[in-house]
Amino acid sequence: SQTIHQWPATLVQPVGSPLSLECTVEGTSNPNLYWYRQAAGRGLQLLFYSVGIGQISSEVPQNLSASRPQDRQFILSSKKLLLSDSGFYLCAWSRSLGFISGNTIYFGEGSWLTVV
Amino acid sequence: QKEVEQNSGPLSVPEGAIASLNCTYSDRVSQSFFWYRQYSGKSPELIMSIYSNGDKEDGRFTAQLNKASQYVSLLIRDSQPSDSATYLCAVSREYGNKLVFGAGTILRVKS
Repeated sequence: SQTIHQWPATLVQPVGSPLSLECTVEGTSNPNLYWYRQAAGRGLQLLFYSVGIGQISSEVPQNLSASRPQDRQFILSSKKLLLSDSGFYLCAWSRSLGFISGNTIYFGEGSWLTVV
Repeated sequence: QKEVEQNSGPLSVPEGAIASLNCTYSDRVSQSFFWYRQYSGKSPELIMSIYSNGDKEDGRFTAQLNKASQYVSLLIRDSQPSDSATYLCAVSREYGNKLVFGAGTILRVKS
């Protein structure tokens, strides 16, 4: 079966510090990978998605970046955090079945980021 | 206009009642529709998916889709206190797997 893990689960970072959140998927090959952010009391906002190694699409301009160094590894980074970067970050995956309906997205456990 | 709209709630229902959650979407080419449940502080988990007009039942859950009205709903029968959570509606375009989420509806089931 497929599993997705992301870490760390919780972190408190000062403004201006760097960020690295990591996510790995097991049990599948060539998944589509996603980073979402959920601000307090708000819906899920898609930040980045990737259909393959080194292929990253950004949905929202910001001071965050994403990388996919390996097939099942997705990393979210920032060089200098802002207060507005606080939130619940979720990594997710789906099977790379192209345009077939029913390609469900599955989420990792999430990472709580508080920028102080 | 938001791409996916949900009433934020909270929707309060007594234990054993039917909870009805609604969602509208703006993109007419949307083809895949999902309902996720999110407990406080946790990540969303998939409840149901639906792709064709009509009803789809899975246990106590029924998803209803009306593409002409751009409307999708989730019915929860025999609501339990453990169903208390935020329910997220998500919609995907025909081409690509990017899901657009609504802000969610808070459901409270009172015993």
